[in-house]
Order: sequence, then C-alpha cells, then structure tokens
Amino acid sequence: DAGITQSPRHKVTETGTPVTLRCHQTENHRYMYWYRQDPGHGLRLIHYSYGVKDTDKGEVSDGYSVSRSKTEDFLLTLESATSSQTSVYFCAISRTGESLVYEQFFGPGTRLTVL
Amino acid sequence: AQSVTQLDSHVSVSEGTPVLLRCNYSSSYSPSLFWYVQHPNKGLQLLLKYTSAATLVKGINGFEAEFKKSETSFHLTKPSAHMSDAAEYFCVVSDGGDDKIIFGKGTRLHILP
Repeated sequence: DAGITQSPRHKVTETGTPVTLRCHQTENHRYMYWYRQDPGHGLRLIHYSYGVKDTDKGEVSDGYSVSRSKTEDFLLTLESATSSQTSVYFCAISRTGESLVYEQFFGPGTRLTVL
Repeated sequence: AQSVTQLDSHVSVSEGTPVLLRCNYSSSYSPSLFWYVQHPNKGLQLLLKYTSAATLVKGINGFEAEFKKSETSFHLTKPSAHMSDAAEYFCVVSDGGDDKIIFGKGTRLHILP
C-alpha cells in the first residue's frame, strides 16, 4: 500500500464548528487531492495540490479550504461545518508528470458526521 | 467536456459465473481510463488502467477491460466471480488536466453463493 494516512479516521462535530482533516504521505509525491464520497455521487474532487503552497479548486470546493506547507501534508478545513458536509473524505496522491497516467493512490478515508 | 457513465448501479452474479461491469465515457482528447475497486469501509484500490497502449488491459485479481474507441466504452470483465469480488467498482476518466479526473457513480457488485 502507498504510504498515505488520514487523521482522524472518524469525527462527529456540531454545525458551525471548524474542522480540520489531515492527509499525510511518505511517498514524496507532488500531487495530492481531497475527495468526498456520497451515496449515488461517486467521488467528487474538493481541492487538489500540485506542490507546496500550490493548490486549486475542484468540483465541490464551496465551504472548504486547504493548505499545503510541506510536501507530505495536505490539510482540509471546514471553516464552519454544515450538515451537508457529512460525508466520507478521501485523500489521494499521484505521481503525475508529463504523461496522462493519472494513477492515484488513496488513503483509508475519514468519516465525518456533522450534527 | 469529459464524462463517465456506469450503466448499472448494482450487478448481481452467482459465484463462478462471468462478471461484466459497463462503463461509457466521453472525452475530447485521448483519455486515460481506470477501474478502481472499493471494499466495504476501505479506500479505493487501482484494478487496472488504460493509457493508449494495448486496448485489452489486464489487471489484478483476474479482471480485465477492453478499450473500444468506436463505442466509447471501457467495460470491466472477469471470467469467474469469487465471493471476495463483492465490492463497489468505479470507472474513472482523465484527459490530462489536474482537475479533470472524473469518477463514475459506481457499480456495486453482489456475488450470490
């Protein structure tokens, strides 16, 4: 398995509170991604990073922010959690380069419940 | 714009019979295509990938997929299902942009004893 960990693995929080999820990799890959998975929607991209301090928005970025101060860590923050953000969050990494081979390796996921 | 459609949300097969999970895609460019598997309460694992080399791609656990450009399809097959194949399967298309990796909505495969 690729060296990707996510923390916490489970979290229950209340509406309006800030939440930060952490993704840590030991592979030194340049690209990191945050997805959310909801029934009937597959995985949807929230934000991604193509290097330290280089991030961009994905399909469902509203209500989320990210930071990447080190190659190995990619943080996802919900500034003020809402019930619609209850989901399973997956981090992924990729050895992207010149080719189109965007093979991704996924972390184990974080199950977030917002009450 | 690219898109991917998994034609069945659920597929049930008996153990030992063939598996067919269907995926159609749309892309303006020559895409890369992937199949991932997700077992319950686990992350996603790459099964196989197509990147413009051989059109018949072999993956792990006996799965394979055939890229058919004329039909814009990338169906996943396995000759003989095993109970351990019960999982959700995702077809993914990418045309090369960092934010252009599109996941299908998934097909849940059920294996009947």
